[in-house]
Amino acid sequence: GENVEQHPSTLSVQEGDSAVIKCTYSDSASNYFPWYKQELGKRPQLIIDIRSNVGEKKDQRIAVTLNKTAEHFSLHITETQPEDSAVYFCAASSSYSSASKIIFGSGTRLSIRP
Amino acid sequence: GAGVSQSPSNKVTEKGKDVELRCDPISGHTALYWYRQSLGQGLEFLIYFQGNSAPDKSGLPSDRFSAERTGGSVSTLTIQRTQQEDSAVYLCASSEHSSGNTIYFGEGSWLTVV
Repeated sequence: GENVEQHPSTLSVQEGDSAVIKCTYSDSASNYFPWYKQELGKRPQLIIDIRSNVGEKKDQRIAVTLNKTAEHFSLHITETQPEDSAVYFCAASSSYSSASKIIFGSGTRLSIRP
Repeated sequence: GAGVSQSPSNKVTEKGKDVELRCDPISGHTALYWYRQSLGQGLEFLIYFQGNSAPDKSGLPSDRFSAERTGGSVSTLTIQRTQQEDSAVYLCASSEHSSGNTIYFGEGSWLTVV
């Protein structure tokens, strides 16, 4: 079955610097890759997603890149701000089978140092 | 409704008692997930319902855990003979159709077993 590995588990960056979180997946049929942000005490919320027909997607300070050949995808946050501090989860799923469920990575705790 | 609704939001129960947690998915969403999240930990998959297909129960940690989804909408997660290690947030999520679509989380049910 699908397995999603996420690194690093914790990340601390200086405010204003960039943060990068990486994930690998094992099911070559995966074609949908969302990223969720979970603030302390809150539910996970979608911040950006990418489908396998594109290699990169940007939304203001957030971007996601996908390498289908190498089966990995990454989240990039530029010009980090204190409100970026949270736990980030990557995920992968396939739309080819209705029985295929979404699989989450183990999460990255991002801390922004003032 | 506007989002995934879960109840109760908080539950304190005595060890050995049974608890029921309820999830109302977004109207029209055919896929429904239950996750468990212990303090500071990741999203532990429990069970996945998709339409009229047999549920994927591969994440249920023991036979004390069960879940139903009646009429393809509301779901109930039942934990029998609760143990202290069951204390966690139980998150429900739903999505349109099958995998390959964004899943939306509820606020969660915070369970404390004393």
